[in-house]
Amino acid sequence: KQEVTQIPAALSVPEGENLVLNCSFTDSAIYNLQWFRQDPGKGLTSLLLIQSSQREQTSGRLNASLDKSSGRSTLYIAASQPGDSATYLCAVANYGGSQGNLIFGKGTKLSVKP
Amino acid sequence: NAGVTQTPKFQVLKTGQSMTLQCAQDMNHNSMYWYRQDPGMGLRLIYYSASEGTTDKGEVPNGYNVSRLNKREFSLRLESAAPSQTSVYFCASSEVASGRDSQYFGPGTRLTVT
Repeated sequence: KQEVTQIPAALSVPEGENLVLNCSFTDSAIYNLQWFRQDPGKGLTSLLLIQSSQREQTSGRLNASLDKSSGRSTLYIAASQPGDSATYLCAVANYGGSQGNLIFGKGTKLSVKP
Repeated sequence: NAGVTQTPKFQVLKTGQSMTLQCAQDMNHNSMYWYRQDPGMGLRLIYYSASEGTTDKGEVPNGYNVSRLNKREFSLRLESAAPSQTSVYFCASSEVASGRDSQYFGPGTRLTVT
């Protein structure tokens, strides 16, 4: 059974720092991996989607990498800002099982201090 | 273009009461999903609809029923609410159910069962 783990559970950094969020998964038979952002009391916003054949994706100050063989992904945030404060969720889409089912990690709660 | 909308935003039920959560998307997506989010558990799939006219169980379907009313709308029904169903419910949609594309989430319904 696929399991997705995110470390750390919470992270507090000063504004301007570059930071890395980690995601690991146990079954490498995935279609893709998605990173989401969730603000308190809100829904999820998709940040980046990496197909299984890709190694990384970039959007603005965000860069996500995928190493399927080792079951790891990282989300790199450059020059962090207070507006980046949110919970970041990693999710994988598996081959087999429920079609299109995303398996989520429990998230990393990021706080960027001014 | 509203994306994925959900009603109601908040609801309080007594044990044994029934209710229907509504979800609609205007992106012409074929596939729709219902997730629940609980503290410490992450998001888990309740039911999904790969295409209009089809529905399938996800990871935690017990106590719920769904209806894919048309391509736009996918409802979730609690026939006899229980305190264990206190949660935040998210609806999502994607172009196809293959797991190869992004899922887009609604803002959520916060349900409390007393």
